[in-house]
Amino acid sequence: KAGVTQTPRYLIKTRGQQVTLSCSPISGHRSVSWYQQTPGQGLQFLFEYFSETQRNKGNFPGRFSGRQFSNSRSEMNVSTLELGDSALYLCASSFNRVEVPYNEQFFGPGTRLTVL
Amino acid sequence: GENVEQHPSTLSVQEGDSAVIKCTYSDSASNYFPWYKQELGKRPQLIIDIRSNVGEKKDQRIAVTLNKTAKHFSLHITETQPEDSAVYFCAVTYPGNTPLVFGKGTRLSVIA
Repeated sequence: KAGVTQTPRYLIKTRGQQVTLSCSPISGHRSVSWYQQTPGQGLQFLFEYFSETQRNKGNFPGRFSGRQFSNSRSEMNVSTLELGDSALYLCASSFNRVEVPYNEQFFGPGTRLTVL
Repeated sequence: GENVEQHPSTLSVQEGDSAVIKCTYSDSASNYFPWYKQELGKRPQLIIDIRSNVGEKKDQRIAVTLNKTAKHFSLHITETQPEDSAVYFCAVTYPGNTPLVFGKGTRLSVIA
């Protein structure tokens, strides 16, 4: 199976702009989670989508939003970019089997966003 | 919500020595504890996990121990090798499709 893919891999934007990142999960995986990774804060959870619905949400401002399509691909959008949004954005997919309450997450390579 | 503390933040060991990383958590309902390894420039990958009904799990040179009473779990790497150099993250979750909560990571350097 192909792994989780993310596009683009690198982005450079300026303050005030908006950006859209894309994540394609492993085939058959219905859950997609997004994380922001920064050197000092580790992996911080943004949100999770399952069957096109946001199921969980982290403590990020409303400028961060996402969606999931019927083929489980997911996008996240950041509006009005700030310098502090510079980070590696990782998505992770999981199969989310009901009978197995613990779901291994498979990470994508990430999108490195730089805000100037 | 759940809070995960991970220590140490950096760890240097000589090749062949053991390395131990510890995480503590706050929610006693937590019941799944994975460890991820992230090599430089690469994606995090699951290396071992443990469930709350198990006290210890071993896979070759790596092991994880869980103390539910004290609410902490540890990653043990024996006979360290240079390729073990990476950032290691612990994580915690509890039932109900809740998201993983990660520790802030430990940068392990194995010196040849």
